[in-house]
Amino acid sequence: SQQGEEDPQALSIQEGENATMNCSYKTSINNLQWYRQNSGRGLVHLILIRSNEREKHSGRLRVTLDTSKKSSSLLITASRAADTASYFCATHAGGTSYGKLTFGQGTILTVHP
Amino acid sequence: NAGVTQTPKFRVLKTGQSMTLLCAQDMNHEYMYWYRQDPGMGLRLIHYSVGEGTTAKGEVPDGYNVSRLKKQNFLLGLESAAPSQTSVYFCASSLRGEGNSPLHFGNGTRLTVT
Repeated sequence: SQQGEEDPQALSIQEGENATMNCSYKTSINNLQWYRQNSGRGLVHLILIRSNEREKHSGRLRVTLDTSKKSSSLLITASRAADTASYFCATHAGGTSYGKLTFGQGTILTVHP
Repeated sequence: NAGVTQTPKFRVLKTGQSMTLLCAQDMNHEYMYWYRQDPGMGLRLIHYSVGEGTTAKGEVPDGYNVSRLKKQNFLLGLESAAPSQTSVYFCASSLRGEGNSPLHFGNGTRLTVT
């Protein structure tokens, strides 16, 4: 099964509300990354959080990491219609010579104007 | 700055036909990857390259071959297409390879095999 599993699978909110997506994983990681994918487009990197970090911010995005629970969350504050997209977490477990990321199946976020 | 460019964007093949997907990046990245994206399966790594002239297998390499003759290009080949290879294919690149470097993705190639 996938290393990272997002929850919920789909989320529908109104513009201005906050959106929270969660990611759980099974094995120890070096870092965890979040990506956004707009319909018909490639994935775009949002935030990378290392295993020794607990929280990172980027604009309206806030990512937390709890290695004891093997979980991460992505919070988008004051959402906009343009935030409508699929969001993926990807974990890097280390032990390889390349950037092997294991992606979850994603959360589909719909923000209604 | 174009980033990662994939060609073609769409393609329909008949079973048994062959084709090559081209990926080009202009960021001077060492590492390049080919993923496929299927509904309910997330992204799965097909092949990757840690530098010019090198290639290696990912999670789902069967039925695909790759080449990295130039640093900026990474080609994915299907020698004999099968319906199971119907998917959206994404190329990505990264500056470093230890997982601490974000991946930059192209916009994908949607392939249908009938």
